[in-house]
Amino acid sequence: DTGVSQDPRHKITKRGQNVTFRCDPISEHNRLYWYRQTLGQGPEFLTYFQNEAQLEKSRLLSDRFSAERPKGSFSTLEIQRTEQGDSAMYLCASSLAWAFNTEAFFGQGTRLTVV
Amino acid sequence: AQTVTQSQPEMSVQEAETVTLSCTYDTSESDYYLFWYKQPPSRQMILVIRQEAYKQQNATENRFSVNFQKAAKSFSLKISDSQLGDAAMYFCACSNTGNQFYFGTGTSLTVIP
Repeated sequence: DTGVSQDPRHKITKRGQNVTFRCDPISEHNRLYWYRQTLGQGPEFLTYFQNEAQLEKSRLLSDRFSAERPKGSFSTLEIQRTEQGDSAMYLCASSLAWAFNTEAFFGQGTRLTVV
Repeated sequence: AQTVTQSQPEMSVQEAETVTLSCTYDTSESDYYLFWYKQPPSRQMILVIRQEAYKQQNATENRFSVNFQKAAKSFSLKISDSQLGDAAMYFCACSNTGNQFYFGTGTSLTVIP
């Protein structure tokens, strides 16, 4: 297993465009998380899935953001009508649900720049 | 909701010396877990050490150990015999049931040769 992978690693887009990011978690992990990290800050929770069910969404996740995990495996995060304030690193992580003290394994992130 | 505070934006340590990174947290949960994650420049975040709140014994992982003060809601990380490879951003995090992890703002650690 190669760990959590995210694609693309970098994305530059014009304001108003839509973007989609993909995350492939560790294969046996049933929980998948999306976080956003801006410069000088810690990761901020956006949403998480257990299998294909989206169980929690942060208030940070505006209507322009949507996440899916259609078959309980990979996940996509889409941002519609991007704004400059969306520029950030988007991190994906995965873990095992039944072990409370399990760690979250992170991907390398997708860095989004909105120009 | 839970909050995690790291009051040291930057720290430095001489190679082979010991450094302690501070973290305080606030949670209303009785069961929770605390973590220290390391994020090297341009690389992914990895777990350094974790502590179950119900355990009184402080966690230790080789050169890394924590000082967990439950009543004070304090969770500091001690790095002994610091190495150049320890240079990174360190994030303290808290999680109750693993539904989400709350992170602090991080401490940038510089290791001086």
